[in-house]
Amino acid sequence: DTAVSQTPKYLVTQMGNDKSIKCEQNLGHDTMYWYKQDSKKFLKIMFSYNNKELIINETVPNRFSPKSPDKAHLNLHINSLELGDSAVYFCASSQFLGDTQYFGPGTRLTVL
Amino acid sequence: AQSVSQHNHHVILSEAASLELGCNYSYGGTVNLFWYVQYPGQHLQLLLKYFSGDPLVKGIKGFEAEFIKSKFSFNLRKPSVQWSDTAEYFCAVFKAAGNKLTFGGGTRVLVKP
Repeated sequence: DTAVSQTPKYLVTQMGNDKSIKCEQNLGHDTMYWYKQDSKKFLKIMFSYNNKELIINETVPNRFSPKSPDKAHLNLHINSLELGDSAVYFCASSQFLGDTQYFGPGTRLTVL
Repeated sequence: AQSVSQHNHHVILSEAASLELGCNYSYGGTVNLFWYVQYPGQHLQLLLKYFSGDPLVKGIKGFEAEFIKSKFSFNLRKPSVQWSDTAEYFCAVFKAAGNKLTFGGGTRVLVKP
């Protein structure tokens, strides 16, 4: 059983398009996150949700909108994709803020 | 601003050599400390963590780390590496006041067989 899963694994799209990445965790955790890993492998928090409520929004452009329909899911919708959005996006979850985070396999987004 | 520094960007060593990766952070107060590993093509996995107690923490695969509060450091060590330890290693620090986990820039470790 995959603890934290993401779909799709790869996403190739044109500039200006809108796309979504889905994340699900079956660990019963209360907190979920989205991270962006750039080409130099630097990892940066984008959003954090606790019990479906937004806790952290790290100066991410408004084109990025997370949605948490329930505690087990945190989806990421991106409008008007730009070249600079190309990266690997990781979803993660933890029992509570500050606890060990469990990461998904990542979604490699390529914007052409 | 929170800052987590990993001094070595790339490390190349031979099997059976000892490994030490440095990690420093720039703020005081109570922190939770982590080392994560990312094997080629895989997602991040926890190696070890420190929340409180004994500052010498043992993790999986023979790794250990020592928290030195006075030096704001949490260095990772392994006495004898294997080829399978080739990976990217990330130090991460959680500060309750900021409610977020901040990662260092990562260290790419290549172990030659």
